[in-house]
Amino acid sequence: GNSVTQMEGPVTLSEEAFLTINCTYTATGYPSLFWYVQYPGEGLQLLLKATKADDKGSNKGFEATYRKETTSFHLEKGSVQVSDSAVYFCALPNTGGFKTIFGAGTRLFVKA
Amino acid sequence: DAGITQSPRHKVTETGTPVTLRCHQTENHRYMYWYRQDPGHGLRLIHYSYGVKDTDKGEVSDGYSVSRSKTEDFLLTLESATSSQTSVYFCAISEWASGSYEQYFGPGTRLTVT
Repeated sequence: GNSVTQMEGPVTLSEEAFLTINCTYTATGYPSLFWYVQYPGEGLQLLLKATKADDKGSNKGFEATYRKETTSFHLEKGSVQVSDSAVYFCALPNTGGFKTIFGAGTRLFVKA
Repeated sequence: DAGITQSPRHKVTETGTPVTLRCHQTENHRYMYWYRQDPGHGLRLIHYSYGVKDTDKGEVSDGYSVSRSKTEDFLLTLESATSSQTSVYFCAISEWASGSYEQYFGPGTRLTVT
């Protein structure tokens, strides 16, 4: 079945630093790919998604490109802020479709 | 924001007592899910529903049961709570839209079993 692997954290950066969180997947076909974010004390929320190969999802300054050649969907942001401190989850649907497989999550700390 | 509420938001209960958590949605989404989140284990699916009275087990369903008698409500019951069920529980909903099934999460219920 489908699976996802993301880099372990925590990741600690200074404000305005460049962020990359790696995510690779194994899947049948070309499913949609997602990044979810969880702020302290809250539920997960969708950050961005890409529904087909070579698509770029973007939101709040974050970007991720669906790369089928490398089966990757790395999350990037050019200049992080303290308010970006959260846990980030890479995800994709299960083979059947309506269930979602989540990565283990990567915790990001941003220092002022 | 998707209209999902969970109740209660916090609960402390004793080992052996029954506990019911409620998830309520106002989005009319077909699919509903219960997850638990624990340090070192990430997010794990307990049960899910694909329609009224249609439910199935997830990866960690032992000790849990669910019911969905109407579209908007999905109940999770711990028949006899154990300390290993201390966790944060999240409800989520989804529907097919814009080429995918996006999930929308509730705020969570923190359950402590003493």
